[in-house]
Amino acid sequence: GAGVSQSPSNKVTEKGKDVELRCDPISGHTALYWYRQSLGQGLEFLIYFQGNSAPDKSGLPSDRFSAERTGGSVSTLTIQRTQQEDSAVYLCASSIEAGNQPQHFGDGTRLSIL
Amino acid sequence: QQQVKQSPQSLIVQKGGIPIINCAYENTAFDYFPWYQQFPGKGPALLIAIRPDVSEKKEGRFTISFNKSAKQFSLHIMDSQPGDSATYFCAASRGGADGLTFGKGTHLIIQP
Repeated sequence: GAGVSQSPSNKVTEKGKDVELRCDPISGHTALYWYRQSLGQGLEFLIYFQGNSAPDKSGLPSDRFSAERTGGSVSTLTIQRTQQEDSAVYLCASSIEAGNQPQHFGDGTRLSIL
Repeated sequence: QQQVKQSPQSLIVQKGGIPIINCAYENTAFDYFPWYQQFPGKGPALLIAIRPDVSEKKEGRFTISFNKSAKQFSLHIMDSQPGDSATYFCAASRGGADGLTFGKGTHLIIQP
């Protein structure tokens, strides 16, 4: 596709369940970023991938969060044992390469924890 | 610690007016400053970006002014239209493995 694609667009789940969010970046983009957008915290950077490697995972909110990227393309963000405070919009962005290059965002996954 | 401070939180301007949104940063290692526009239910869309070696950049009706010594930058929207009504975010980055550090956003309404 022409842009960054994220799925699902909406996810409602019960507290304690695991969820997996998917991001398909723009073809040819080597850098991929995950952000979280919530009313209280605004837009927060979570993690960055260059190729399949994430050099710094310190931005992930807790050890319940993990992310991986395979084949230098699709990435998944997994949240285990979800909590109500995990409710937010999870946004993915990609750029043609690392460094200060334009980041193009998908429309996000709206996650609601009941 | 909020590294990028954005103001105002909300702004109402008449059509044709020039809304101005301001941002200030603390980290002198930042060297890339983009602005994003976001409509409800959509992801942020890049409008315009500037690097600290220039003081002003224009793209269409959007202008960024940058003051390196004051560590401030601002977005001006010329000849504003109701379709410009959206939330605007400033951001900053050091590049490398760092993501963008965003301001809290400005909810802009352009009245017809």
